[in-house]
Amino acid sequence: AQSVTQLDSQVPVFEEAPVELRCNYSSSVSVYLFWYVQYPNQGLQLLLKYLSGSTLVESINGFEAEFNKSQTSFHLRKPSVHISDTAEYFCAVSAVGGNDMRFGAGTRLTVKP
Amino acid sequence: NAGVMQNPRHLVRRRGQEARLRCSPMKGHSHVYWYRQLPEEGLKFMVYLQKENIIDESGMPKERFSAEFPKEGPSILRIQQVVRGDSAAYFCASSPKGDSQYFGPGTRLTVL
Repeated sequence: AQSVTQLDSQVPVFEEAPVELRCNYSSSVSVYLFWYVQYPNQGLQLLLKYLSGSTLVESINGFEAEFNKSQTSFHLRKPSVHISDTAEYFCAVSAVGGNDMRFGAGTRLTVKP
Repeated sequence: NAGVMQNPRHLVRRRGQEARLRCSPMKGHSHVYWYRQLPEEGLKFMVYLQKENIIDESGMPKERFSAEFPKEGPSILRIQQVVRGDSAAYFCASSPKGDSQYFGPGTRLTVL
């Protein structure tokens, strides 16, 4: 089975600073990787995903993540954060061709003015 | 194309009552997943269904919890004889073919 570890439960940063949210996964088979964002009292929204091809994937709002197979990581980065990026971020993994998805415990990003 | 719909958004039950949570997947999606999110915790997988079939229920508690996804109508997560520990947000997600999942807004269950 797959598993995900998000190393930081909370990440406070100042507005316009860069940020990295760390995610490591464990799996004995090939995987798909995802980042979801959850704003307060809302459901999860898909931010970006890696299925195959280029190991660097980007979202429309400036986030990017890089799949590193040797380090089994899929860290999420943004060069300059906004107040509106304050949310909970979840990393998730599923086996290629598998049926379910496993989520990390989440990282709460708080952007301060 | 409407997103995943869940109702009710908020549900209050007294201990011992039944809770029924509904999920209508996105149009064209035949895969449905249910997750539970406890306060200050991540999402925990509960069950994965395709039309009329339970594919994986490894995350479901052995008692009081059941799920279905009938040929017609929404998927239902049913909790019988609720207890305070069942208080949580329950999220449904749907997928067209088992990879990317799209989440509903969730149902927040409060057990008094």
